[in-house]
Amino acid sequence: EAEVAQSPRYKITEKSQAVAFWCDPISGHATLYWYRQILGQGPELLVQFQDESVVDDSQLPKDRFSAERLKGVDSTLKIQPAELGDSAMYLCASSLVRTNYEQYFGPGTRLTVT
Amino acid sequence: KNEVEQSPQNLTAQEGEFITINCSYSVGISALHWLQQHPGGGIVSLFMLSSGKKKHGRLIATINIQEKHSSLHITASHPRDSAVYICAVGYNNDMRFGAGTRLTVKP
Repeated sequence: EAEVAQSPRYKITEKSQAVAFWCDPISGHATLYWYRQILGQGPELLVQFQDESVVDDSQLPKDRFSAERLKGVDSTLKIQPAELGDSAMYLCASSLVRTNYEQYFGPGTRLTVT
Repeated sequence: KNEVEQSPQNLTAQEGEFITINCSYSVGISALHWLQQHPGGGIVSLFMLSSGKKKHGRLIATINIQEKHSSLHITASHPRDSAVYICAVGYNNDMRFGAGTRLTVKP
């Protein structure tokens, strides 16, 4: 069964360092989402792509976060510089079309900033 | 006030017990999802509902659109059901998530 892939699964970094996460959505899925989940809370949307275009990045802290999906397939989320408050689970999801009807989630990357 | 409220926040049960997790929402939705998140972090979609009731194995999900309420039931609970269960609603091409219910089933 097709799955959303993410790497790394775990990342420990020092504050002020740069960190990057990678996501490979299910083949053929046009829409890709990056979520941040703080411990004890539900996921919050950071950025949504339709193919290679950003359709919603209103909650992305653009001073330090960036995301790209250059060829409309896999995507990279970067944080530079990382801050202690960025410690969280970063989840990637994809869906066939830009609706909320069926999103498939990856295993997530757990980031710890020390 | 959160748009999606879940209760309880934490739930501990003995193996075999019948479990109910509730979700209330305040926005007009196109679909409601129940998700399961294990300690490793990955999220699995259990159900997507827009009306009525769905059943999969020991899991049952119901939704009442008029009351803006959904329930997830687990019959004959088992320790492997221990996870965080998250309610999410589809709204304006976006998903709004509840904070989750942490379920622990003891043998």
